[in-house]
Amino acid sequence: TQLLEQSPQFLSIQEGENLTVYCNSSSVFSSLQWYRQEPGEGPVLLVTVVTGGEVKKLKRLTFQFGDARKDSSLHITAAQTGDTGLYLCAGGGRSGNTGKLIFGQGTTLQVKP
Amino acid sequence: KAGVTQTPRYLIKTRGQQVTLSCSPISGHRSVSWYQQTPGQGLQFLFEYFSETQRNKGNFPGRFSGRQFSNSRSEMNVSTLELGDSALYLCASSLGGGMNTEAFFGQGTRLTVV
Repeated sequence: TQLLEQSPQFLSIQEGENLTVYCNSSSVFSSLQWYRQEPGEGPVLLVTVVTGGEVKKLKRLTFQFGDARKDSSLHITAAQTGDTGLYLCAGGGRSGNTGKLIFGQGTTLQVKP
Repeated sequence: KAGVTQTPRYLIKTRGQQVTLSCSPISGHRSVSWYQQTPGQGLQFLFEYFSETQRNKGNFPGRFSGRQFSNSRSEMNVSTLELGDSALYLCASSLGGGMNTEAFFGQGTRLTVV
């Protein structure tokens, strides 16, 4: 069974601070996606990483895929109140084309003004 | 391009009843996956349909079933509802091929069983 562990589960910071969320597994994933979800809404795709060691940037967000494709991190620089939400990592399975994503438990981020 | 559409957004049902949820994927996407999201368990995979065939299935009881039509629209059915079935049900669509399972989610259907 492939599992993804996210840490921390909860994070409350002041606006302007930096933070990092981690997503770890003992299994290899063919791809890894990060989503952000607002209460009562569906997750919104932020980024997909597919190559070991890959780094992608989305404005103040930096995503990294581990060299062995077993872990990933999301770093937010100078957090803003608009970054508040639930961040989810999700791994695509070995088969790659089965449409099944394994989700981490999520990190609830609160950015205070 | 229109996103993933799920209907209805909210449902209240009584224990023992059955319910059908609908999902229209992004145009051109052939894969539709369903997930159940609860505060305690997070997002759990129910099943995936591709070209009208169930291609993968999660660890849910047989009360949970689904189907996909020739236009890629999908429905999910839950029979003999239990209180524990109360959750946000999410549908995700993807192109369905290759190694990248990039998925786009609908807004979800909030099911409350009373």
